[in-house]
Amino acid sequence: QVQLQESGPGLVRPSQTLSLTCTVSSGSLTSGAHYWSWIRQLPGKGLEWIGRIYYSGTTYYNPSLQSRLTMSVDPSKNQFSLKLSSVTAADTAVYYCARTFYPKPAAGAFDYWGQGTLVTVSS
Amino acid sequence: DIQMTQSPSSLSASVGDRVTITCRASHNIGKYLNWYQQKPGKAPKLLIYTASSLQSGVPSRFSGRGSGTDFTLTINSLQPEDFATYYCQQSYSTPLFSFGPGTNVDIK
Repeated sequence: QVQLQESGPGLVRPSQTLSLTCTVSSGSLTSGAHYWSWIRQLPGKGLEWIGRIYYSGTTYYNPSLQSRLTMSVDPSKNQFSLKLSSVTAADTAVYYCARTFYPKPAAGAFDYWGQGTLVTVSS
Repeated sequence: DIQMTQSPSSLSASVGDRVTITCRASHNIGKYLNWYQQKPGKAPKLLIYTASSLQSGVPSRFSGRGSGTDFTLTINSLQPEDFATYYCQQSYSTPLFSFGPGTNVDIK
């Protein structure tokens, strides 16, 4: 079954760029049947969808983060990545990567998730 | 933006109870509503998609209903492993998704 694994620094300094990578295994990122999303969870809080990318590189970002966000994909490594610039303490969260599947058009749901990685923004 | 609310925010129940959680959308979202279960320190797990379709491998004691703005997740005969936080998520405004604030189900 599909597995996703986040990797990246657990500590980022304020005003710097947060960079994470998600590696997909036991499944191809380039199958074309799915999108690939990033979702975060602030400490003790709910879930916030960050953005998604298709294997072709097409992206859609949450407007609340769009000005600071860049997502990319490396099909040869079966990986996709997230960069969030100018971070502050408010960006401290557990970051998840997830597969987005569409059982029918517009009906996007997240059926496989990484285990999550805590990123702390602190000096 | 479509806002999602859930009620109650938390509830206490006993093993064997029937539990119902409500999710409400600020706009008509048809049946574009999914439910997740999250346990402490773990990633959310998809339970129900398109309001009432059971995800593969999810026990049949979980069921979902609703359309438009009002939705429910029901757990029949609550089991010890069901104590968790439950989130709804709308995909009507895809590709912009949003989640409800969560409902924590704990042991009475």
